[in-house]
Amino acid sequence: NAGVTQTPKFHILKTGQSMTLQCAQDMNHGYLSWYRQDPGMGLRRIHYSVAAGITDKGEVPDGYNVSRSNTEDFPLRLESAAPSQTSVYFCASSWSGTEEFSNQPQHFGDGTRLSIL
Amino acid sequence: AQKVTQAQTEISVVEKEDVTLDCVYETRDTTYYLFWYKQPPSGELVFLIRRNSFDEQNEISGRYSWNFQKSTSSFNFTITASQVVDSAVYFCALYEETSGSRLTFGEGTQLTVNP
Repeated sequence: NAGVTQTPKFHILKTGQSMTLQCAQDMNHGYLSWYRQDPGMGLRRIHYSVAAGITDKGEVPDGYNVSRSNTEDFPLRLESAAPSQTSVYFCASSWSGTEEFSNQPQHFGDGTRLSIL
Repeated sequence: AQKVTQAQTEISVVEKEDVTLDCVYETRDTTYYLFWYKQPPSGELVFLIRRNSFDEQNEISGRYSWNFQKSTSSFNFTITASQVVDSAVYFCALYEETSGSRLTFGEGTQLTVNP
């Protein structure tokens, strides 16, 4: 059981380039989210999805796009990368719904370390 | 306003010392959940504990213990007889029932246990 798989683990981009970070989960979870982790700021949610076909903005969505065409995958796209987007990105999944979400901790992927020069 | 505050940015202790990591939260919800996660140097996030707002019993798991006090809005984490392998960043997080599946993290505390 792989859980949440993120690819790639590391990547370097040049300013203005585009890139898609991949996230896949095999637990049939409805809720998927992307976080970025920056020093001294903890993890901040970028975008999230409660089910296939439904996405919504988190607290720091600018510069990022997401899509949710099926239950398993939740790619995060940077259309025109900026140095301020240098960060570690985590994808997390859990069951949807208040009760389910609160009873099951979010399962995190291992992270993608992205550097933008 | 910061909803989850971990005032200790870095803590350094010597092995076998006890150490307490502080977490103070802010919420207006009556139903909420608090979490602690560990992030070792390898980078992954490891779930440690979940506590709901209706359960103020302290919990102990081996060398780990948690003290939840609603009166002071705190959910502190104590490691007894610390070990080098405990060196990591520890995050406290809050889930509020009205938040729309949002998990709010504190800034994290870097714990270094020296041999």
